[in-house]
Amino acid sequence: DTGVSQDPRHKITKRGQNVTFRCDPISEHNRLYWYRQTLGQGPEFLTYFQNEAQLEKSRLLSDRFSAERPKGSFSTLEIQRTEQGDSAMYLCASSSWTGNTEAFFGQGTRLTVV
Amino acid sequence: SQQGEEDPQALSIQEGENATMNCSYKTSINNLQWYRQNSGRGLVHLILIRSNEREKHSGRLRVTLDTSKKSSSLLITASRAADTASYFCATNTGANSKLTFGKGITLSVRP
Repeated sequence: DTGVSQDPRHKITKRGQNVTFRCDPISEHNRLYWYRQTLGQGPEFLTYFQNEAQLEKSRLLSDRFSAERPKGSFSTLEIQRTEQGDSAMYLCASSSWTGNTEAFFGQGTRLTVV
Repeated sequence: SQQGEEDPQALSIQEGENATMNCSYKTSINNLQWYRQNSGRGLVHLILIRSNEREKHSGRLRVTLDTSKKSSSLLITASRAADTASYFCATNTGANSKLTFGKGITLSVRP
């Protein structure tokens, strides 16, 4: 049983560049979440997919951020025109359709904007 | 905004001792989950307790939930140096079951 997989693990980019991260959830999970974690803080919710539908977006998700889950399997998170404040760990999690169960997280993508 | 607040913020104990961590939250929940995070790594799920449960055990872990006080505690018995990590409580709320995390507790277990 493979867990949640995220790629890349680390990304260093110059300010103003676009970046895209990928998340492969646990295969039977239809719920997928993106979170962002900055140093010394707990993760903060960004967005939620149920199958391919994006059902909730946080106010943290500015218009430079876009997430997709085109076939209800893997998901991508794109950040356009990156800013230094975007530097953080981006975490993906998945859970089963019932919702009232464990959410399993990937290892995260550490983004550094220079 | 972060709903959960863990207490203490940092805890240092000797190997073999028990570690107790507390979490308080503000709104009604579906469940509450505890996670561990080693430095720079992802979150590892430890234990989940549903809103209609009061206590659960998993190996050396014991979690309690008091919905009337909106609080939970995580007890790690017979701690090991490998338990050194940050611990987060997360509340699962709403129909979308998103998680809201506290700032975490840094646990150091001295060998």
